[in-house]
Amino acid sequence: DQQVKQNSPSLSVQEGRISILNCDYTNSMFDYFLWYKKYPAEGPTFLISISSIKDKNEDGRFTVFLNKSAKHLSLHIVPSQPGDSAVYFCAATTGTASKLTFGTGTRLQVTL
Amino acid sequence: NAGVTQTPKFQVLKTGQSMTLQCAQDMNHNSMYWYRQDPGMGLRLIYYSASEGTTDKGEVPNGYNVSRLNKREFSLRLESAAPSQTSVYFCASSWGRDTGELFFGEGSRLTVL
Repeated sequence: DQQVKQNSPSLSVQEGRISILNCDYTNSMFDYFLWYKKYPAEGPTFLISISSIKDKNEDGRFTVFLNKSAKHLSLHIVPSQPGDSAVYFCAATTGTASKLTFGTGTRLQVTL
Repeated sequence: NAGVTQTPKFQVLKTGQSMTLQCAQDMNHNSMYWYRQDPGMGLRLIYYSASEGTTDKGEVPNGYNVSRLNKREFSLRLESAAPSQTSVYFCASSWGRDTGELFFGEGSRLTVL
């Protein structure tokens, strides 16, 4: 049973526009959510996170929104740049890194 | 800074062969992890070590063993490789006190024929 779901395997966005990546979860015990970014032939790198006590967290061009009632979070990238082209993984945990559950990833392609 | 280093980066095995994936981190992190990534499955935790001297099973531990050799090193062993273990393996580390910021190695691509 996939507790963290990324239903869009891929997304294509024009440079300068907004990219919105979505993630749904089923476990109401999750209290911390993260996004990781992965380039080909590299390991994932941490991008941004949000605690369940917040509904928004912003870091430069990246904003994560959390809707607890809908069990949904999204990552907004504004403006999108070609260097943002990568696979983005959503992850959730009940409080420790050892309990991190990853989604299946969304491949973002930012076109010129 | 090297961060998390995994070896080898590529390996081809025959069914039944054994091998060990090595991982070392130079960030003085307390916790280390082994994940596998398969198409359509995301990253799944195989084993982790919360601190030196301890290891615990993750979501998919069957067919694997681990050793936390010291604070820096955490190895993953396949005793009798099976085609189902064909995957990309990632080692990661963290301080252990946080809620999920992991530092990953570049990955090791393993093919079992």
